[in-house]
Amino acid sequence: DQQVKQNSPSLSVQEGRISILNCDYTNSMFDYFLWYKKYPAEGPTFLISISSIKDKNEDGRFTVFLNKSAKHLSLHIVPSQPGDSAVYFCGRAGSQGNLIFGKGTKLSVKP
Amino acid sequence: KAGVTQTPRYLIKTRGQQVTLSCSPISGHRSVSWYQQTPGQGLQFLFEYFSETQRNKGNFPGRFSGRQFSNSRSEMNVSTLELGDSALYLCASSLEGALTGEAFFGQGTRLTVV
Repeated sequence: DQQVKQNSPSLSVQEGRISILNCDYTNSMFDYFLWYKKYPAEGPTFLISISSIKDKNEDGRFTVFLNKSAKHLSLHIVPSQPGDSAVYFCGRAGSQGNLIFGKGTKLSVKP
Repeated sequence: KAGVTQTPRYLIKTRGQQVTLSCSPISGHRSVSWYQQTPGQGLQFLFEYFSETQRNKGNFPGRFSGRQFSNSRSEMNVSTLELGDSALYLCASSLEGALTGEAFFGQGTRLTVV
């Protein structure tokens, strides 16, 4: 049972435009939803998280939206930069501290 | 402050062998989790150790095991290696568990089984 699902394996965006990465989840009993970014040959790095009691969390160019009725999570990057090109994983933190991730979306930002 | 260190970075093993991977967490972090990354399955949780005890376990066969030492360093062992075990193995550390979603990952160990 894949509790967190990223349906788009890849996304291509022009530099300066908005990147929107999407994620769906099946179980509502999570405390935190999160996004990580991964470059090749590096470990994932934490990007941003959102508590399940909130609808939105913002950190600079990155904003995460949580739509609880639709069980949908999205990450907006505005404006997109070539350095944002990476694989993005959405996930959730369980009550005991383990992380469950989707399969990832590869974002390519074209100059 | 040093980050999470994983050794070795690369390994090539033969089917049927066993392998041990090591992870040194950030100083002061007591939780260490292990993940397997493959192209088809993304990042999959293996297990988490906290204060030398396995606290959480993912859906992997018993060939995958781990332990944590008193200094929080952790090792992961895979016995009777199969070709499908070829993957990037990542460990992540956090103070007491990634309850708010934030953990710090190492660069990983790339395991190739031939």
